[in-house]
Amino acid sequence: GAVVSQHPSRVICKSGTSVKIECRSLDFQATTMFWYRQFPKQSLMLMATSNEGSKATYEQGVEKDKFLINHASLTLSTLTVTSAHPEDSSFYICSASPTGKGELFFGEGSRLTVL
Amino acid sequence: AQSVTQLDSQVPVFEEAPVELRCNYSSSVSVYLFWYVQYPNQGLQLLLKYLSGSTLVKGINGFEAEFNKSQTSFHLRKPSVHISDTAEYFCAVSEGLTGGGNKLTFGTGTQLKVEL
Repeated sequence: GAVVSQHPSRVICKSGTSVKIECRSLDFQATTMFWYRQFPKQSLMLMATSNEGSKATYEQGVEKDKFLINHASLTLSTLTVTSAHPEDSSFYICSASPTGKGELFFGEGSRLTVL
Repeated sequence: AQSVTQLDSQVPVFEEAPVELRCNYSSSVSVYLFWYVQYPNQGLQLLLKYLSGSTLVKGINGFEAEFNKSQTSFHLRKPSVHISDTAEYFCAVSEGLTGGGNKLTFGTGTQLKVEL
């Protein structure tokens, strides 16, 4: 199957700093990638849809100025958590689909801890 | 709008016993249904999916699920579980199936705990 990779898998930062998480499709091109957030022992909540070459589409209630998404190429989308605070601590997961397949493949997730 | 309900937050079961994880959905249009498994601190792995055709879908690791349109259900089953099946299981629904990928709505998850 297709492979989606995230980096870093774990990151700890101080409150007020910004953190960038990368999501790469290793063996296919993805015009669309999805970013999810998962709180402990809870489900995945879709944050935004990342579109290559255009602006991301954010779900209701997600602050687009706090969670910056850039999809600069067909294999890379980045999520930047700006001015991070402890309440931003969470597990962030990205997903993508090879064109024409319709099936989503998920990255390994990135655990962000803001001190 | 679509939604997914997983009524059981935790399901304990002994090894080699059968298990069923329940999933109900609501949608005003035709849907596509998925079951994913998540091991601790990892991403999601697709177990199986229903897109069309036979309502009984077989997936990896011996899991299967049956799509029941009249009951709007997509329950996951395995006739004999193993310790290694201990994980979180998510049911998900999509109202679209595009080449660019699906916008999935997830259930709250069911923690399957297999005991000796």
